[in-house]
Amino acid sequence: AQSVTQPDIHITVSEGASLELRCNYSYGATPYLFWYVQSPGQGLQLLLKYFSGDTLVQGIKGFEAEFKRSQSSFNLRKPSVHWSDAAEYFCAVAAYSGGGADGLTFGKGTHLIIQP
Amino acid sequence: DGGITQSPKYLFRKEGQNVTLSCEQNLNHDAMYWYRQDPGQGLRLIYYSQIVNDFQKGDIAEGYSVSREKKESFPLTVTSAQKNPTAFYLCASTLGLAGYNEQFFGPGTRLTVL
Repeated sequence: AQSVTQPDIHITVSEGASLELRCNYSYGATPYLFWYVQSPGQGLQLLLKYFSGDTLVQGIKGFEAEFKRSQSSFNLRKPSVHWSDAAEYFCAVAAYSGGGADGLTFGKGTHLIIQP
Repeated sequence: DGGITQSPKYLFRKEGQNVTLSCEQNLNHDAMYWYRQDPGQGLRLIYYSQIVNDFQKGDIAEGYSVSREKKESFPLTVTSAQKNPTAFYLCASTLGLAGYNEQFFGPGTRLTVL
C-alpha cells in the first residue's frame, strides 16, 4: 500500500526567508504526487502536481517542488515566504488501479508559521 | 460559478443518531470522494465513486454509507455505528479517472457529536 511521510509537524520561518517542506512517499509504480495547502477551517487548494516529465514542477503562489525518484521525495520549496503563506501543507500520492483513480493518500501535514 | 458545495458548514449530532452530509458539484466531474480530517492525522479516504450508482470503500469506511444516484451529488451518512464521528469532513471531485487529475475540494463540514 502507498504511504506519505511529512517529517516536520511544525515549521517556523521568518518572513522573506526561504522555505523547504519535506515529503517522502512509498508507492510501487510511477507516482502521481501533489502538494495542497489548507487555511484554517477551509478546504484544500492544489499548489502543484507531478505525474511525468520535468522533475522540477512549478506551481501557484511562487511554489515549486522537485521529484527525486532515487530518494522517494517530493519536497516543496519557496524562495521567499510571505505572511499569507501561513497554513497547513499536505503532500499526497494518487492511488490508481485499472479502473481509474482510487483516491489520494495524504501525509499528516506540516503546519507553517511565519514570523514577522 | 462552478464548484463544490458542502452543507451544512457545522453540524451537531447526539450520540446514536444518523446524520447525512451533503456534497454537490456543478463541475460535471466524474469521480467524487469523501475524506475525514482529524487534527494531526491528515486526510483519510472514506468512500469514493467513479460513476453513478457505483462506489467503493476507502481506508476507513466502517460506520459510514454513501449513495451516488446523480452525477453531481454524493451524500455521506454517518451512522450510529461510527464510534468516533467528531471530525472535519471534506468532499472532493475530479474530472476523468486518470490518477494525475487534480482533486477539487469543497469547504468542508465540521461534525460534532454531543
